[in-house]
Amino acid sequence: DTGVSQDPRHKITKRGQNVTFRCDPISEHNRLYWYRQTLGQGPEFLTYFQNEAQLEKSRLLSDRFSAERPKGSFSTLEIQRTEQGDSAMYLCASSSRTGWDTQYFGPGTRLTVL
Amino acid sequence: SQQGEEDPQALSIQEGENATMNCSYKTSINNLQWYRQNSGRGLVHLILIRSNEREKHSGRLRVTLDTSKKSSSLLITASRAADTASYFCATPLPYNNNDMRFGAGTRLTVKP
Repeated sequence: DTGVSQDPRHKITKRGQNVTFRCDPISEHNRLYWYRQTLGQGPEFLTYFQNEAQLEKSRLLSDRFSAERPKGSFSTLEIQRTEQGDSAMYLCASSSRTGWDTQYFGPGTRLTVL
Repeated sequence: SQQGEEDPQALSIQEGENATMNCSYKTSINNLQWYRQNSGRGLVHLILIRSNEREKHSGRLRVTLDTSKKSSSLLITASRAADTASYFCATPLPYNNNDMRFGAGTRLTVKP
């Protein structure tokens, strides 16, 4: 399968712990996006990479959040000192150079902060 | 803040009936997209309609766009139980095409 993959699919952690999620985009997609989705809401944009460069960050992305895409392929999203309000589904999407306006989403990582 | 708003929030129909969902947005757009999300899963891209298009078809899906009213509709014909999902419209911000804004979605239930 050559779709967007995310790991882990589920993460339960205690408040104050750090967590890291991974996203593998569709190969050769140079654009990668992170979104957060809470229950009953649509996804909210967090950040965007073009190749390895992080070009956009939402104001939703507090200082506790950091994302990287070191080699322009997979990306990681780290949340430090997790809070209960961080509980959500974290979605990754990618798009290609030519079809950049169509984003393909991964299955998401569901985070529960106890 | 959300750009698109879907209406209704929830819709329940019988298998075989048509389902219509509406989306309104606030600013000018280059395109509008519809996505489907099955419970607890990722989003699946359904269709993209550009601002210079008025109607687009894909299988049992028909999407219309009225830029003068800043609205779009998604019609699913001859619905099936497998169409049960949440449907979202999404638009890129006019000044930043990489920032896609989604509505809260319409929850469609198709009863067998």
